[in-house]
Amino acid sequence: DAGVIQSPRHEVTEMGQEVTLRCKPISGHNSLFWYRQTMMRGLELLIYFNNNVPIDDSGMPEDRFSAKMPNASFSTLKIQPSEPRDSAVYFCASSLGGNQPQHFGDGTRLSIL
Amino acid sequence: EDKVVQSPLSLVVHEGDTVTLNCSYEVTNFRSLLWYKQEKKAPTFLFMLTSSGIEKKSGRLSSILDKKELFSILNITATQTGDSAVYLCTLQPSNTGKLIFGQGTTLQVKP
Repeated sequence: DAGVIQSPRHEVTEMGQEVTLRCKPISGHNSLFWYRQTMMRGLELLIYFNNNVPIDDSGMPEDRFSAKMPNASFSTLKIQPSEPRDSAVYFCASSLGGNQPQHFGDGTRLSIL
Repeated sequence: EDKVVQSPLSLVVHEGDTVTLNCSYEVTNFRSLLWYKQEKKAPTFLFMLTSSGIEKKSGRLSSILDKKELFSILNITATQTGDSAVYLCTLQPSNTGKLIFGQGTTLQVKP
């Protein structure tokens, strides 16, 4: 079975550019989560969706970050404009919801120069 | 504020050793405590614990939760070099789907 699929795997871009990260959750999962991981702060939840609806975006750092889930099989995380401090690994995870474990994608390693 | 604290932060052992990783928490109400293993890429799910005192076991790995003393442990017996990874403890509060992660324990198993 396919797991959570993220793209791109790596992204290197200059500060000020728009960055779009993509995620395809596991089919049938109704909860989707975006995380950011850095050495300093570990894994931090940015936002999560239930049934395509954003439930909690309190972890989104600032207005430069936005996330959408137009349908059950696709989500995007956008950073505009990007800054060097946004450099991190961004993970997407999905679950069947409720009290079920989350399954993570391989992440997007983002470097903003 | 809800908090998850793991110890030790890092550990170096030799193959065949047994290790115990600790996770303590300050979360008022939670649905479950989960353990993940992270090697070079994504965290992979190991265990989900919801009830106190019931051990979960998978091969050489086992875990147990103590809701009275607010901690969990992850045991790995007869360690192998493939067990080298960061082990993450995380809690899911009752009123939300989000996970609260600990800092992780970095385990290195030497041949």
